[in-house]
Amino acid sequence: KNEVEQSPQNLTAQEGEFITINCSYSVGISALHWLQQHPGGGIVSLFMLSSGKKKHGRLIATINIQEKHSSLHITASHPRDSAVYICAVIKLTSGSRLTFGEGTQLTVNP
Amino acid sequence: DTGVSQDPRHKITKRGQNVTFRCDPISEHNRLYWYRQTLGQGPEFLTYFQNEAQLEKSRLLSDRFSAERPKGSFSTLEIQRTEQGDSAMYLCASSFDRRNTEAFFGQGTRLTVV
Repeated sequence: KNEVEQSPQNLTAQEGEFITINCSYSVGISALHWLQQHPGGGIVSLFMLSSGKKKHGRLIATINIQEKHSSLHITASHPRDSAVYICAVIKLTSGSRLTFGEGTQLTVNP
Repeated sequence: DTGVSQDPRHKITKRGQNVTFRCDPISEHNRLYWYRQTLGQGPEFLTYFQNEAQLEKSRLLSDRFSAERPKGSFSTLEIQRTEQGDSAMYLCASSFDRRNTEAFFGQGTRLTVV
């Protein structure tokens, strides 16, 4: 079983829909990252969380440390949001390196 | 400085050949990481440098793999005697030397071994 699991693996939405991607982890962490990866490979950091909630534009990320769960929400989704969204954690036992989930492929249709 | 850069972006090589990739991190960043990502999977950790010191290596990093960061600036990742299973995206990331700091990723080098 992976230490970081995401759901769903694939998600197709219509433009304007509210989207939620979930991440659960089974290890103690010091922080959790949400990352975005477009075709071609480059990864962009969206959020880093250690507690609570963060918002940036149409993106909202929440984390519940007790339940070992985080969610990424996209409001008013747009085709340009189509990408792979990856949850990654910094484990308490692993220094500063990231341990990644497998990613969620999001496709937003016009 | 415009971010982390990796070179080349794509590499096709024949099985058995050696390849070398380069990563130039953001200049103020002490930490540099190499990750490998196969199709449809999340990235996996390969190795980590703090300045020029290689502080951690994954078990994924077989004897055919070697990484250096000779002056604490750019890093190279070499794969000797490539195998088809080495085909993947090789990602480099850098960050400041403090806990829970954001990592900045390069565009990656996509390796195809034929």
